[in-house]
Amino acid sequence: AQSVAQPEDQVNVAEGNPLTVKCTYSVSGNPYLFWYVQYPNRGLQFLLKYITGDNLVKGSYGFEAEFNKSQTSFHLKKPSALVSDSALYFCAVRGGKIIFGKGTRLHILP
Amino acid sequence: DVKVTQSSRYLVKRTGEKVFLECVQDMDHENMFWYRQDPGLGLRLIYFSYDVKMKEKGDIPEGYSVSREKKERFSLILESASTNQTSMYLCASIWGPGHNQPQHFGDGTRLSIL
Repeated sequence: AQSVAQPEDQVNVAEGNPLTVKCTYSVSGNPYLFWYVQYPNRGLQFLLKYITGDNLVKGSYGFEAEFNKSQTSFHLKKPSALVSDSALYFCAVRGGKIIFGKGTRLHILP
Repeated sequence: DVKVTQSSRYLVKRTGEKVFLECVQDMDHENMFWYRQDPGLGLRLIYFSYDVKMKEKGDIPEGYSVSREKKERFSLILESASTNQTSMYLCASIWGPGHNQPQHFGDGTRLSIL
């Protein structure tokens, strides 16, 4: 069965420090993996995706994600966090259908 | 740039009312989706449509129906609203099946059922 897990409900990071938001998945075949961000009272905005090729994917707002096939993970990263990065982040996998994780709330502390 | 527009940002209705949530996309996308978002539960798929007049049940279709009479418009209908349908509703669209492009989302409708 297809599934996505975001093991942390909330992540707190000091401004300027690197951040990681974790995502693991389970899908048959080759996955299409996505990260989205949601700001308060807004819809989801696409950040980046992995389809094939390089395991390190770069996206919007300085975010990147590392695809690890052996660990079935697709963690979201940023080298230096900004207060404006505070938001709700969703990982999604598209195999036969699109499945979203439950979301991780990222707090960047000034 | 793709635009997905949900007709209402906030909506307050009463128990038992029939409620219509409207969604329009401007990029000729084939697939459209309705999700509800609740804290701690993430996004749950209610219904999706892969063509005009075509629809498929998602994971939580009970108490809802949908209508897609035109390609650009996808409506979610709460037949008889109940308090447990108070939620954030998100509409999304994508070009077609098996496509590796991301979904495009509207800004959501926050629905309260009193």
